[in-house]
Amino acid sequence: DIQMTQSPSSLSASVGDRVTITCQASQDINNYLNWYQQKPGKAPKLLIYDASNLETGVPSRFSGSGSGTDFTFTISGLQPEDVATYYCQQSDNFPPRITFGQGTRLDIK
Amino acid sequence: QVQLVQSGAEVRKPGSSVRISCKASGGTFGTYTVSWVRQAPGQGLEWMGRTIPFLGVADYAQKLQGRVTITADKSTNTAYMELSSLRSDDTAVYYCARGGRGATALHYWGQGTLVSVSS
Repeated sequence: DIQMTQSPSSLSASVGDRVTITCQASQDINNYLNWYQQKPGKAPKLLIYDASNLETGVPSRFSGSGSGTDFTFTISGLQPEDVATYYCQQSDNFPPRITFGQGTRLDIK
Repeated sequence: QVQLVQSGAEVRKPGSSVRISCKASGGTFGTYTVSWVRQAPGQGLEWMGRTIPFLGVADYAQKLQGRVTITADKSTNTAYMELSSLRSDDTAVYYCARGGRGATALHYWGQGTLVSVSS
């Protein structure tokens, strides 16, 4: 089984800051890593797919990078509306399985 | 723009079953996967399983194997998730989600359905 380690588990930053969240896979997952934002009481929302592709309609301050086992999610210029929990996600084919990271809770200082 | 609309909240007793629906509007399931993901109160996201409606196949999380059944009706673009032998720790919000351009991403999500299991 591929394990995902997401860090940090929580994060507090100021408006305008650059925020970075990392996700590490226990084995090579190519670039098959996705990032979601979830606000309280809402469904998750896809922000980044295939490690670095910005989903349609998502602000350009969100970005992703990495391949293989190490991935990074960045918010360049934190906004108050970015307060949320962020999850990474990967997918196995053998056996078929989707795994989410533990989540990173982001709030404003 | 595809929207996934789920059925409403459910209350069940331990040992019973629940079936939740997820209907696509503004689009179809096409050749994409439809996954079910749940979230217990205050917890993270847990993948339950998925179906590929146009193939009529399904895969399940090992933890839930034998208790969960995921199906889809291509003619109505509706997917279903049935969970049996319910326990109190099955209390959660259940989401359906559809794939898209990304190789493994869940691009479209339903609004969520709260299932409460209590005696």
